[in-house]
Amino acid sequence: SSELTQDPAVSVALGQTVRITCQGDSLRSYYASWYQQKPGQAPVLVIYGKNNRPSGIPDRFSGSSSGNTASLTITGAQAEDEADYYCNSRDSSGNHLFGGGTQLTVL
Amino acid sequence: QVQLQESGPGLVKPSQTLSLTCTVSGGSISSGSYYWSWIRQPAGKGLEWIGRIYTSGSTNYNPSLKSRVTISVDTSKNQFSLKLSSVTAADTAVYYCARGYGGDHFDYWGQGTLVTVSS
Repeated sequence: SSELTQDPAVSVALGQTVRITCQGDSLRSYYASWYQQKPGQAPVLVIYGKNNRPSGIPDRFSGSSSGNTASLTITGAQAEDEADYYCNSRDSSGNHLFGGGTQLTVL
Repeated sequence: QVQLQESGPGLVKPSQTLSLTCTVSGGSISSGSYYWSWIRQPAGKGLEWIGRIYTSGSTNYNPSLKSRVTISVDTSKNQFSLKLSSVTAADTAVYYCARGYGGDHFDYWGQGTLVTVSS
């Protein structure tokens, strides 16, 4: 099916590690990209490809993939990482799709 | 540094056509292997991909919106545009334009523009 499924909400203690997952059939063939969105702001790309970070994204953000699941890991979560996170992928026709988003709370 | 800026009416009447333009600055819209997308987000909800265009004119559209969407590009103005016809209140959202690369990610986004569909 052409859907990407994310947990609606995840929490992590300050300084701890959190994994945000994204499931979908398209992920068996195509990489996910991950976007961070804070309230009132446009999304920001944090991970793309196998495990690539754009310039300016801290190295505590990393990505991985296995089968139909892609994961975004934040190692040593900071207060400023509290945000919504969206995965995105594509299908064989070139159409993109987004996951429903995960709200990350840093406790 | 590439920048994208959306522009267009903030209020559209039901059944009419929503029209937005994205102006690209800091680089040519025709350079590189990029494509140009529209993405929207209703208040309090998630992101929805609308469609994309290459500067060759090749397009892809979200199947759920395909019958109502047209994306075009004007390389002379470094702009691309969105038209969404027969709008309803369900089309009320913040609309973003974004640059796509590698076939699978969006590296630059506009700030977004709120479009409200209401009479």
